[in-house]
Amino acid sequence: QVYLVQSGAEVKKPGASVKVSCKASGFILMNYGISWVRQAPGQGLEWMGRITPNIGYTNYARTLQGRVTMTTDTSTNTAYMELRSLTSDDTAIYYCARRGSIYGDDAFDIWGQGTMVSVSS
Amino acid sequence: QSALIQPPSASGTPGQRVTMSCSGTTSNIGRNPVIWYQQLPGTAPKLLIYSSLQRPSGVPDRFSASKSGASASLAISGLQSEDEADYYCAAWDDSLNAYVFGTGTKVTVL
Repeated sequence: QVYLVQSGAEVKKPGASVKVSCKASGFILMNYGISWVRQAPGQGLEWMGRITPNIGYTNYARTLQGRVTMTTDTSTNTAYMELRSLTSDDTAIYYCARRGSIYGDDAFDIWGQGTMVSVSS
Repeated sequence: QSALIQPPSASGTPGQRVTMSCSGTTSNIGRNPVIWYQQLPGTAPKLLIYSSLQRPSGVPDRFSASKSGASASLAISGLQSEDEADYYCAAWDDSLNAYVFGTGTKVTVL
């Protein structure tokens, strides 16, 4: 079985940071890419960025540049997404998703279950 | 970042054919593969179509897709109650150097 398991829900205050983990099971993270996608309540999907673990390459959405960092830990087969200087606009479900499978680099074939991040004073 | 444009809703009765469009630009759909995702209520998105018209294994052949120029479309034939979901198109945008999603279409089975 191939899947991604994300860390649990978080509640943060404005100005704080959050770090969400995404552990791969059934495949080696280094052989694929990981993208992060978020979805605000009742809204559509928003691409946040991607990381290609085997070359350490990251590419972030311009709207999040300077606030987001994506990393991987090959020893634990886990990807991480850290978002800083949180505001209420960052309240959303955060998903990690695998890319680079047989379906192509642009297709996200395996998704994590999602992590709810709530930002409130 | 700019989103691909989809109609907000579509509906049909069981057995009918439903289609939805996805409008982009020459920077995204015009030059890159289109991907379609299905998001059932309360769940993570699921890959439905890749390379503009291919179905991953396990996706019923009731789902079909096409692309022409800077637009794409998804069709569901023989609509079933379990098809009630949100559908998103997506593509890489060479100008933005970013992945862009469509605005989403909510399909309702009447």
